[in-house]
Amino acid sequence: DIVMTQSPDSLAVSLGERATINCKSSQTVFFSTLKKDYLAWYQHKSGQPPRLLLYWASTRESGVPDRFSGSGSGTDFTLTITNLQAEDAAIYYCQQYDTKPYTFGQGTKLEI
Amino acid sequence: EVQLLESGGGVVRPGGSLTLSCEASGFTFGDYGLSWVRQAPGQGLEWVAGINWNGASINYADSVKGRFTVSRDNAKNSVYLQMNGLTAEDTALYYCARDRHVGQGGIFGSWGQGAQVTVSS
Repeated sequence: DIVMTQSPDSLAVSLGERATINCKSSQTVFFSTLKKDYLAWYQHKSGQPPRLLLYWASTRESGVPDRFSGSGSGTDFTLTITNLQAEDAAIYYCQQYDTKPYTFGQGTKLEI
Repeated sequence: EVQLLESGGGVVRPGGSLTLSCEASGFTFGDYGLSWVRQAPGQGLEWVAGINWNGASINYADSVKGRFTVSRDNAKNSVYLQMNGLTAEDTALYYCARDRHVGQGGIFGSWGQGAQVTVSS
């Protein structure tokens, strides 16, 4: 199985600042034929279902503010949230969908 | 609007069985793959099982293989998770999740509110 490892486990960032969350996969999730990375990011707030933020590593889901961006390829990925708002407080997960079983990172708790 | 409504959760004794249902609306159900994803207390998200649009492709996490069975009824717009041999480690909130795109599994664009399963004697 592909192991997804996020860092840090938690971070606290001030309003208006930038947060950076890293995700590393134990093997590449880049599919060369399609030239795509099979990597998604989710936001999960307590009492709510997870929300898809990004897929193909950097494609923003409809309705997601452009403050959220994704980068990276192969095995190393980054979620960046700029101009942090209070509503961004949540746990963030990366997930690979290159190979079944699909696997998630352990989550990064973001405090504002 | 895509809606996924889980039901069937509850408290069950170790070794017992339970079947979760997820009824969908707001989209052409038979076009999309669906998965079950769970979150144990204080833990992260774990993909449990997935089924493609016509039920021909089914996959499971190793932790549930041989005990859980996922199925779907496109005529009823529903997907199911039959869980046998339940243990305390299966205690979790179980989400039903729909693929974001037709034909591309694993990107979970829509989620239900979840069904709580508690395994306890």
